[in-house]
Amino acid sequence: DAMVIQNPRYQVTQFGKPVTLSCSQTLNHNVMYWYQQKSSQAPKLLFHYYDKDFNNEADTPDNFQSRRPNTSFCFLDIRSPGLGDAAMYLCATSGSGEGTDTQYFGPGTRLTVL
Amino acid sequence: AQKVTQAQTEISVVEKEDVTLDCVYETRDTTYYLFWYKQPPSGELVFLIRRNSFDEQNEISGRYSWNFQKSTSSFNFTITASQVVDSAVYFCALIKAAGNKLTFGGGTRVLVKP
Repeated sequence: DAMVIQNPRYQVTQFGKPVTLSCSQTLNHNVMYWYQQKSSQAPKLLFHYYDKDFNNEADTPDNFQSRRPNTSFCFLDIRSPGLGDAAMYLCATSGSGEGTDTQYFGPGTRLTVL
Repeated sequence: AQKVTQAQTEISVVEKEDVTLDCVYETRDTTYYLFWYKQPPSGELVFLIRRNSFDEQNEISGRYSWNFQKSTSSFNFTITASQVVDSAVYFCALIKAAGNKLTFGGGTRVLVKP
């Protein structure tokens, strides 16, 4: 089945220690998104890639970076995690990046910062 | 600016009862899309339905039904004969046709008790 995969499902890191979260997709979609979801809140878009074009949201902290080495994979790098970065990180994909397309989400990575 | 409001933060029902989740939205765009996603305790956001602004037909899918009323800017979701597996947080979301950013409501937590 075509799907969005995220690894690991659970990640524990220490305050200030860089961490990388991974997302891959078999849907062959052009667009990949990263969302942050804190407890009892709605997902918040951090950035997205349309093919190789990176689009950052204005309020995304510089501490968050992303890489997309090919169509299938996208990474979220948190350079110096703080306690406030503990959250669920959701990856999503869509075909064209326009509203006409549905965004399909992966299972998420739950990040704990100690 | 777009806004989605889910006034009910939590609903508790007994199995086999019907439950209706309210969603009210604001947008200045004439063409837009509305979505419902389900987020079970595992964390994955599961796509349920997409409706475009020109299609006000109600839709039924098994025990799920959706009522879109453009006149009141509402897109309500009903679960008929609820089951324990329906326990989850449900998000209503909006995106404009030419956009790529989902605007989520705050979510409604549904608890179905046996």
